[in-house]
Amino acid sequence: SQTIHQWPATLVQPVGSPLSLECTVEGTSNPNLYWYRQAAGRGLQLLFYSVGIGQISSEVPQNLSASRPQDRQFILSSKKLLLSDSGFYLCAWSLGGSYNEQFFGPGTRLTVL
Amino acid sequence: DQQVKQNSPSLSVQEGRISILNCDYTNSMFDYFLWYKKYPAEGPTFLISISSIKDKNEDGRFTVFLNKSAKHLSLHIVPSQPGDSAVYFCAASEAGEIIFGKGTRLHILP
Repeated sequence: SQTIHQWPATLVQPVGSPLSLECTVEGTSNPNLYWYRQAAGRGLQLLFYSVGIGQISSEVPQNLSASRPQDRQFILSSKKLLLSDSGFYLCAWSLGGSYNEQFFGPGTRLTVL
Repeated sequence: DQQVKQNSPSLSVQEGRISILNCDYTNSMFDYFLWYKKYPAEGPTFLISISSIKDKNEDGRFTVFLNKSAKHLSLHIVPSQPGDSAVYFCAASEAGEIIFGKGTRLHILP
């Protein structure tokens, strides 16, 4: 069966510090991978998605970047965090092609102080 | 402009009664609709979905209704149970790209 891991679960970082959140998927090959952010009162906002290694699409301009160095690894990064980067970050995967269901990881709570 | 709208931020329902969560969308090209359930500090979990070629899909206590002419879908939970207290996200998909609503927080009252 497929599983998705995210770490860390919680993170408190000062403004201006770098960020690296990691997501890995097990039990499937060549998944589509997604990074979402859930901010208070704003639902789930798609940040990045990837259909393959090295292929990243950005949905919104922001202070963050994503990379996919391996088939089942998706990394969310920032060089300098802003206060507005605080939120709950979720990684998700789906099968490629026309499958629609996405399966989410447990999330990372990021607080920027 | 929001393509998927959940206009009720919260909803309270007595245990054992029916919970009805509503969702409106604007893009007539959406061909697949999903509902996710989310507990605090956890990732959303897939609940139920419906293709645009159907108007109803049922899975146990959960039923999703789709009214394409009104661009409206709803999730019915009956009977409501305490464990149903969570945030429910409506989502719509076009060519595999999913757009989520802002969510509705459901409180099941004892």
